[in-house]
Amino acid sequence: GDSVTQMEGPVTLSEEAFLTINCTYTATGYPSLFWYVQYPGEGLQLLLKATKADDKGSNKGFEATYRKETTSFHLEKGSVQVSDSAVYFCALSDQANAGKSTFGDGTTLTVKP
Amino acid sequence: DTAVSQTPKYLVTQMGNDKSIKCEQNLGHDTMYWYKQDSKKFLKIMFSYNNKELIINETVPNRFSPKSPDKAHLNLHINSLELGDSAVYFCASSQGYTGIGNEQFFGPGTRLTVL
Repeated sequence: GDSVTQMEGPVTLSEEAFLTINCTYTATGYPSLFWYVQYPGEGLQLLLKATKADDKGSNKGFEATYRKETTSFHLEKGSVQVSDSAVYFCALSDQANAGKSTFGDGTTLTVKP
Repeated sequence: DTAVSQTPKYLVTQMGNDKSIKCEQNLGHDTMYWYKQDSKKFLKIMFSYNNKELIINETVPNRFSPKSPDKAHLNLHINSLELGDSAVYFCASSQGYTGIGNEQFFGPGTRLTVL
């Protein structure tokens, strides 16, 4: 079945540090890939997405590239801010599986001033 | 205007009780979902409806029964609540299947505590 493996957290960084959160996946078909962010006490919201190999999703300074050869979708940001503190979820949706979404376990990021 | 709303936001109840959580979306989407998030933040899909038809039904105890009266609403009824049902339940919606890149819009969550 489909699965998503995320870098274990928690991750603690200083403001302006470089961020990488690793995400690899296993899917039966050709999935779409997503990063969602959950701020404290809120629901998840889409951060970025990519629907085919070599696509790069980007938003709010965050980027991730769909790498089919390594089955990866790593999240990066060049300079994090305190306001980026949140839980980040990598997810895939597979058309071959009724469009069901599979989420990674989430990575908690804390950015200190 | 709230895109996906859930009521109630907090629900505290005794073991053995029956409770319902309501979800409404005003985005005109045709697909709605229920997710369960445990205390470690792990997120698992429970159910998905497309145009009021059940399309995903994960391994969920049959004490949980979803009901979609129309495309804009998806309610979750839970019978005989157990301690292990304590979690945050999220409703979400999308236009069409997410497998073609459609994003999900999540509600604010309902924190259920079973005593």
